[in-house]
Amino acid sequence: DQQVKQNSPSLSVQEGRISILNCDYTNSMFDYFLWYKKYPAEGPTFLISISSIKDKNEDGRFTVFLNKSAKHLSLHIVPSQPGDSAVYFCAASAEGAQKLVFGQGTRLTINP
Amino acid sequence: ETGVTQTPRHLVMGMTNKKSLKCEQHLGHNAMYWYKQSAKKPLELMFVYSLEERVENNSVPSRFSPECPNSSHLFLHLHTLQPEDSALYLCASSQETLQQYEKLFFGSGTQLSVL
Repeated sequence: DQQVKQNSPSLSVQEGRISILNCDYTNSMFDYFLWYKKYPAEGPTFLISISSIKDKNEDGRFTVFLNKSAKHLSLHIVPSQPGDSAVYFCAASAEGAQKLVFGQGTRLTINP
Repeated sequence: ETGVTQTPRHLVMGMTNKKSLKCEQHLGHNAMYWYKQSAKKPLELMFVYSLEERVENNSVPSRFSPECPNSSHLFLHLHTLQPEDSALYLCASSQETLQQYEKLFFGSGTQLSVL
């Protein structure tokens, strides 16, 4: 049973527009969420995170929104740039679980 | 060098071969991890080491054998693999064993093909 789901395998956005990547989870014990970004031939790198005590966290062009009642989080990138083209992984953890649970990833392509 | 480095970057092996993947972290972290990424699947946690002791083994087949000789080095020994084991194997480290708010730092991975 997959506890973290990214239902869109790919997303294509025009440069300068907003990119919205979505993630759903099923485990109500998850209370910390992260987004990782992965370029081809490289490992994932940490992008932004959010604790369940917040519903929004912003870092420059990147904002993560958390809707606990819907068990849904999203990553907004605005404005989108060609360098944002990558695979984005959503991940979640529960206190004491000592592991991150990842989604399948969404491949974002920013078109010039 | 900084960060987490993995070698080799690519590996092709037959089902009867024995090979090893190597990971080294230069971040002074105490915890190291092996993850497997198969196509269109989530990253799967395989093993967790904290201060050189294995703290988690996620029901991984015995044909995968990890080794952590010190807190900076992690190996994954492979023998009699199956074609379905073909995947990207990622090493990661964190300051401590994944506590709340802990971030993982990943290496670039070894792309493994089993023929």
